[in-house]
Amino acid sequence: GEDVEQSLFLSVREGDSSVINCTYTDSSSTYLYWYKQEPGAGLQLLTYIFSNMDMKQDQRLTVLLNKKDKHLSLRIADTQTGDSAIYFCAETKMDSSYKLIFGSGTRLLVRP
Amino acid sequence: NAGVMQNPRHLVRRRGQEARLRCSPVKGHSHVYWYRQLPEEGLKFMVYLQKENIIDESGMPKERFSAEFPKEGPSILRIQQVVRGDSAAYFCASSEREQGDTQYFGPGTRLTVL
Repeated sequence: GEDVEQSLFLSVREGDSSVINCTYTDSSSTYLYWYKQEPGAGLQLLTYIFSNMDMKQDQRLTVLLNKKDKHLSLRIADTQTGDSAIYFCAETKMDSSYKLIFGSGTRLLVRP
Repeated sequence: NAGVMQNPRHLVRRRGQEARLRCSPVKGHSHVYWYRQLPEEGLKFMVYLQKENIIDESGMPKERFSAEFPKEGPSILRIQQVVRGDSAAYFCASSEREQGDTQYFGPGTRLTVL
């Protein structure tokens, strides 16, 4: 199938690290993305990783990719209350449209 | 640089009316995608268009829904004879090239059908 799966909810304390996990299905996906959605807002592109990479770091964000297990994770260091949002993992469907297949989102709650 | 613009941001329609959602892509982008987000769910692909062409409409319901991206002007997603189940957030995204190029999303149009 086309399922991209994520855990639904994560709660962390401010200052701790957050790790959001995702599994995908299409082994031919070339790009995998993380988007952030705040309440009532659109999707903000956070970062992406090319499928021939294992890791990508961008300031407080670290993306890890395990192609063998089709597992993607997003680590947020020093999590802040402003990081509270829904985080979506997405893979590129390698067909005529290169459409994105999204997970159902992980709601991150950062406690003060 | 203006990002993807969508209007209206909120749209209320009664059952049976028509809804028209507009999307202006990032300047220079010629690829437009429409996605629908039902409450408490992720985004689901609806349709992919290039200028004047529908490339992939596999995610769009066969009836009542149509999309266009004319040579001049914004892309339009049109829903005829709306029903309560059409209530959702509709997001447009644009990219400069296909081939898996990064898609940038607009703020969405939240459609409520009474």
